[in-house]
Amino acid sequence: AQSVAQPEDQVNVAEGNPLTVKCTYSVSGNPYLFWYVQYPNRGLQFLLKYITGDNLVKGSYGFEAEFNKSQTSFHLKKPSALVSDSALYFCAVRDRGDNFNKFYFGSGTKLNVKP
Amino acid sequence: SAVISQKPSRDICQRGTSLTIQCQVDSQVTMMFWYRQQPGQSLTLIATANQGSEATYESGFVIDKFPISRPNLTFSTLTVSNMSPEDSSIYLCSVDITGRNEQFFGPGTRLTVL
Repeated sequence: AQSVAQPEDQVNVAEGNPLTVKCTYSVSGNPYLFWYVQYPNRGLQFLLKYITGDNLVKGSYGFEAEFNKSQTSFHLKKPSALVSDSALYFCAVRDRGDNFNKFYFGSGTKLNVKP
Repeated sequence: SAVISQKPSRDICQRGTSLTIQCQVDSQVTMMFWYRQQPGQSLTLIATANQGSEATYESGFVIDKFPISRPNLTFSTLTVSNMSPEDSSIYLCSVDITGRNEQFFGPGTRLTVL
C-alpha cells in the first residue's frame, strides 16, 4: 500500500533563513509526488510535482523539492523563507497502478516563519 | 487549472440533521473527489464521483451516510446524513484535470455539528 510520512508536525524558521519540510514515501513502483499548501480557511493549493526526469523540481512561490529515490524522500525546500510562507504543507503520492486516481496525503507539517 | 467553488463555505448544524454540500467546477471534468479533513488531521478520501455512475466509496465510508450525486460534468453534491459531532470537519471537493496529473481543490466547507 502507498503511504506518505511527514515526520515533523511543525517547523519553525526565521525569516530569510532556508527552510526544509521533510517527506518520505512508501510506494510500489515509481511514484508521482506532490506538495500542496493550505492557508488558514482555504483549500489546498498545488505547489509542485515530480513525475519523471530531473530530480530537482521547482514550483510556485520559490519552492523546490528534490526527489531522492534511494532515500525515498521528497523534501520541500526554499532558500529564503518569508513570513507569508507560514501555512500547512502536505506531501502527497499518487498511485501509478490500478488506483491511479487516488492521492495519498501525509499528515501535514505546519510551517511557522517568524520575522 | 480549474476554478472550484463550494457551498456553503461553513455551517453549524444540529445533531441528527443532514447537510448537502455543493461543488461547482468551471470546466467539464470526468472525475471529482470528496475528502474529509478532521481538525488537525490530514485529508481522507471519502469517495470518487464519476458522472453517470455510482460513486466509489473508500473503506470506512458508506453511501447511506454520505450520499453523492454527480448529475453532470461540472457539478457534484455530498450529503452528510444524520450528523453527529464526530462529523465536524472540513469537507473538500477536488477534480482531476486530464493530462495535468494534478488535483485541484475547492475552498472547503467547514462543518460544525452541535
